[in-house]
Amino acid sequence: GAGVSQSPSNKVTEKGKDVELRCDPISGHTALYWYRQSLGQGLEFLIYFQGNSAPDKSGLPSDRFSAERTGGSVSTLTIQRTQQEDSAVYLCASSLGLTSGGEKLFFGSGTQLSVL
Amino acid sequence: GENVEQHPSTLSVQEGDSAVIKCTYSDSASNYFPWYKQELGKRPQLIIDIRSNVGEKKDQRIAVTLNKTAKHFSLHITETQPEDSAVYFCAASIGGGGADGLTFGKGTHLIIQP
Repeated sequence: GAGVSQSPSNKVTEKGKDVELRCDPISGHTALYWYRQSLGQGLEFLIYFQGNSAPDKSGLPSDRFSAERTGGSVSTLTIQRTQQEDSAVYLCASSLGLTSGGEKLFFGSGTQLSVL
Repeated sequence: GENVEQHPSTLSVQEGDSAVIKCTYSDSASNYFPWYKQELGKRPQLIIDIRSNVGEKKDQRIAVTLNKTAKHFSLHITETQPEDSAVYFCAASIGGGGADGLTFGKGTHLIIQP
């Protein structure tokens, strides 16, 4: 596809359940980011992958959050034992990474997560 | 780490007037400053960016200015139109080819009144 693809677009889950959110970045983009956007709030950085390097997990809010990126492409963000405060839009973005002009982020449409 | 403050949180202007959104940053090592626009229900998209070796950059009705000494940068939109209504996010990073370390402001909801 031409852009960053995220699935599902909407996810409703019960408190305590685990969820997996998927991101398919633009082909050839080596950098991938996950952000969280709560209602009316800014973009909160969660995690960053660059190529095959160890990810920057400094933004993950708790050990219930984890992410992986397989084969340098598709990424999955997993939230275990979801809590109501996890409700937000989870945005994935990719970029060309460590190249000139590689700072431009291309965002997916996001996954709206609702924890009941 | 970097801290980006953005003001105002909401801005309402009459169609045709100008709009200015301001951001400050804390890390003097930051050298890349993009602005993203997020229309209601849509994904954020880059509209303009500036690097620290430039004081001003313009693209049609949009311009960004940077004051490195004061560590602030601003987005200027002239002749505003209804399609300019959106949330605008500023960001700052050390850059260097990757967007790692990109810190966003909390956003400004721009409302264009007809």
